[in-house]
Amino acid sequence: DAKTTQPPSMDCAEGRAANLPCNHSTISGNEYVYWYRQIHSQGPQYIIHGLKNNETNEMASLIITEDRKSSTLILPHATLRDTAVYYCIVRPLLDFGNEKLTFGTGTRLTIIP
Amino acid sequence: DGGITQSPKYLFRKEGQNVTLSCEQNLNHDAMYWYRQDPGQGLRLIYYSQIVNDFQKGDIAEGYSVSREKKESFPLTVTSAQKNPTAFYLCASSIVRGSYEQYFGPGTRLTVT
Repeated sequence: DAKTTQPPSMDCAEGRAANLPCNHSTISGNEYVYWYRQIHSQGPQYIIHGLKNNETNEMASLIITEDRKSSTLILPHATLRDTAVYYCIVRPLLDFGNEKLTFGTGTRLTIIP
Repeated sequence: DGGITQSPKYLFRKEGQNVTLSCEQNLNHDAMYWYRQDPGQGLRLIYYSQIVNDFQKGDIAEGYSVSREKKESFPLTVTSAQKNPTAFYLCASSIVRGSYEQYFGPGTRLTVT
């Protein structure tokens, strides 16, 4: 899997948009960008994924740069429950025989009341 | 409700004992995975299985064993050969076509003394 680089920690005020960056400069053309988050002592939770177009769902938006070398996860109105470690992962979509998700150390996002 | 269950949440064992961690899913997913997480670290893949009666080693399979006799179940045995078994163990499942997002269980925290 291509490597990703994320800041180790970020703070965001409650109610504001949280913007989490991720660099993936060696991403291949067939690799998607996935975001997961892990609240303390729980299993990771899938948030969103995308290839090259921006994506939005009920949880977040994903903005991928045109060259696909970086992306930003946006939580539009952060709440205290969004405090978690956020992982950015790149992987091929159809890659039988290489099913693992390579989790780095992620970004610890703290929402400040 | 559909989901993944892991039991127990906390497990304590003496060094030299084998221990089996349970993972059950009712999502009708073909693929299942076991990850290990150490404090402050990302997840590392131990084993995965794409279909019943078949499984593959991940990055850190030494000292672990698995079985996949039923689609719904993927138990992990931590053997006495695993040198540092104390960790947080996470089970996940996914479909094997499409977007591949993995759904995680709540985890089992194993402490070996």
